Amino acid sequence: KAGVTQTPRYLIKTRGQQVTLSCSPISGHRSVSWYQQTPGQGLQFLFEYFSETQRNKGNFPGRFSGRQFSNSRSEMNVSTLELGDSALYLCASSLASAGGMANEQFFGPGTRLTVL
Amino acid sequence: AQSVTQLGSHVSVSEGALVLLRCNYSSSVPPYLFWYVQYPNQGLQLLLKYTSAATLVKGINGFEAEFKKSETSFHLTKPSAHMSDAAEYFCAVRDRAAGNKLTFGGGTRVLVKP
Repeated sequence: KAGVTQTPRYLIKTRGQQVTLSCSPISGHRSVSWYQQTPGQGLQFLFEYFSETQRNKGNFPGRFSGRQFSNSRSEMNVSTLELGDSALYLCASSLASAGGMANEQFFGPGTRLTVL
Repeated sequence: AQSVTQLGSHVSVSEGALVLLRCNYSSSVPPYLFWYVQYPNQGLQLLLKYTSAATLVKGINGFEAEFKKSETSFHLTKPSAHMSDAAEYFCAVRDRAAGNKLTFGGGTRVLVKP
């Protein structure tokens, strides 16, 4: 079974631009969560989508948004990029949204975003 | 609010020595607890998880962790370090009422000396 895939793996943007990152979950998984990893703030939860609905949201500004498609693939978008948005963005998928360990999360390799 | 504290951002061990990584959590309800490992330029891989079935949890690659409610701890150990254990390790907590949101500790980078 293929794992979680994220594209692109590396991205360089300049301040003020916007970016879209993509995540394809493990086949059959309906929940996709996104995390931001930086040296200063560590791993922080961005949001979770389940069956095309945002189920949970972390403490990030509205410039960070996401969506999920009917095939469970997810995208996250960051608008008006700032230098501080440089980070590794990790996507994780799981079978369910809540309840029991059926929702063990499997992580993709991440997209490394550099904002210049 | 949940929080996770990992004592020591860097740990150096000799090959063959005990690996001990400390994790303390705070949670208002019985949590799910996890240890993940991250190798350079890779995502997170689950080492083991606590789900309340047993307080001593065995994971992959010879790692295990013990849940101690009285100490709110979930320390990770491995009896004998291998060079391939060099990586960053993250403890995480998931509140059963918060869906899939994981709250991570700051991470501990393990260096294994030959």
